[in-house]
Amino acid sequence: DAKTTQPPSMDCAEGRAANLPCNHSTISGNEYVYWYRQIHSQGPQYIIHGLKNNETNEMASLIITEDRKSSTLILPHATLRDTAVYYCIACSHNQGGKLIFGQGTELSVKP
Amino acid sequence: NAGVTQTPKFRILKIGQSMTLQCTQDMNHNYMYWYRQDPGMGLKLIYYSVGAGITDKGEVPNGYNVSRSTTEDFPLRLELAAPSQTSVYFCASSYSSQGARYEQYFGPGTRLTVT
Repeated sequence: DAKTTQPPSMDCAEGRAANLPCNHSTISGNEYVYWYRQIHSQGPQYIIHGLKNNETNEMASLIITEDRKSSTLILPHATLRDTAVYYCIACSHNQGGKLIFGQGTELSVKP
Repeated sequence: NAGVTQTPKFRILKIGQSMTLQCTQDMNHNYMYWYRQDPGMGLKLIYYSVGAGITDKGEVPNGYNVSRSTTEDFPLRLELAAPSQTSVYFCASSYSSQGARYEQYFGPGTRLTVT
């Protein structure tokens, strides 16, 4: 699985959009980009995933660059409850769905 | 649905003791996983199962064993506990059909201390 690189921490003002970047320059053609988040000490929670098209669901939007070497997770109106560690993971659907977690980005949403 | 449940929530073990961490899911998911998370780190995959009777090693399988006799249950066994196994253990499950994978659902975790 491709390695992903994320900034260790970010701040965001409540009500503003949070844009979390992820670099995956060695991603292969059959690897999806998955985003999970982990709110303090809880089990991780799935957010969104995509292959090459941009995706949107009720939680977030995922923007993947045309060359697929990077992506951005967008939380359109961040709330205090969005404070969490966000993990970007490149995952091939041919490998048992195994997720390789990195260090993630610790997002702090401030009032 | 209860989702993914794990027992116990907390446990303190002495070095050399054994225990089984229980994991049950009621979503009829075919895939199940065990991860561990050390303080300040991301999760690491211990073992996973693609269906009843089938298990495979993940990144850090040493010191652990698993079995999958039913779709619902995926227990993790520690035979000779060591301080290095002090961690938070998460179980997860997902549904996969014809090569498509769906998101993993995680349990609340078991916090294990080995002293």
